[in-house]
Amino acid sequence: AAGVIQSPRHLIKEKRETATLKCYPIPRHDTVYWYQQGPGQDPQFLISFYEKMQSDKGSIPDRFSAQQFSDYHSELNMSSLELGDSALYFCASSLALAKNIQYFGAGTRLSVL
Amino acid sequence: QKEVEQNSGPLSVPEGAIASLNCTYSDRGSQSFFWYRQYSGKSPELIMSIYSNGDKEDGRFTAQLNKASQYVSLLIRDSQPSDSATYLCAVQLLGVFGNEKLTFGTGTRLTIIP
Repeated sequence: AAGVIQSPRHLIKEKRETATLKCYPIPRHDTVYWYQQGPGQDPQFLISFYEKMQSDKGSIPDRFSAQQFSDYHSELNMSSLELGDSALYFCASSLALAKNIQYFGAGTRLSVL
Repeated sequence: QKEVEQNSGPLSVPEGAIASLNCTYSDRGSQSFFWYRQYSGKSPELIMSIYSNGDKEDGRFTAQLNKASQYVSLLIRDSQPSDSATYLCAVQLLGVFGNEKLTFGTGTRLTIIP
């Protein structure tokens, strides 16, 4: 079965650079979520989209933005990168009104040097 | 106080024994509860979901929910070395469309000793 696809898997950036992470949800899933997991930490919710509209916002820095496109894929844009942004970034998708099981992608490991 | 609390461990259990993982949550509006398994550097993988009070069994795994006590647990029977991982408890509030964010505990690191 198709899973959540994230790209790239690894990304190395310098401070103050920008990064774009992509997420392709499971086909027919209508909700996409972004989570950030720092070393030794639990995943922290950043932002979510339902039917291409932002549905919820968590502890996402103003330097970050995200959107969901007409084909339901989502992109997380990160600017003015800081050392503390180094983390695993997970995208998850779910089908609303269907017990909302969230399935996670393999993640993007971002390293800011 | 974190919204979702777990003992961070590490929890060491002999192979073949029962591993018991516990989780408490603070928001009484929480409606859905999940256990995810996460290997180091990998993504969370859903093990169990539970929505109503009582027990739910799936193979070697049993989830237990007590909303009055705001407590959810996971039992792993016949523990195998491959069960060694961090187990994340996740809680979801009731929303209009049922697609609310997950709030995670810090995870319990489980080690199965051969």
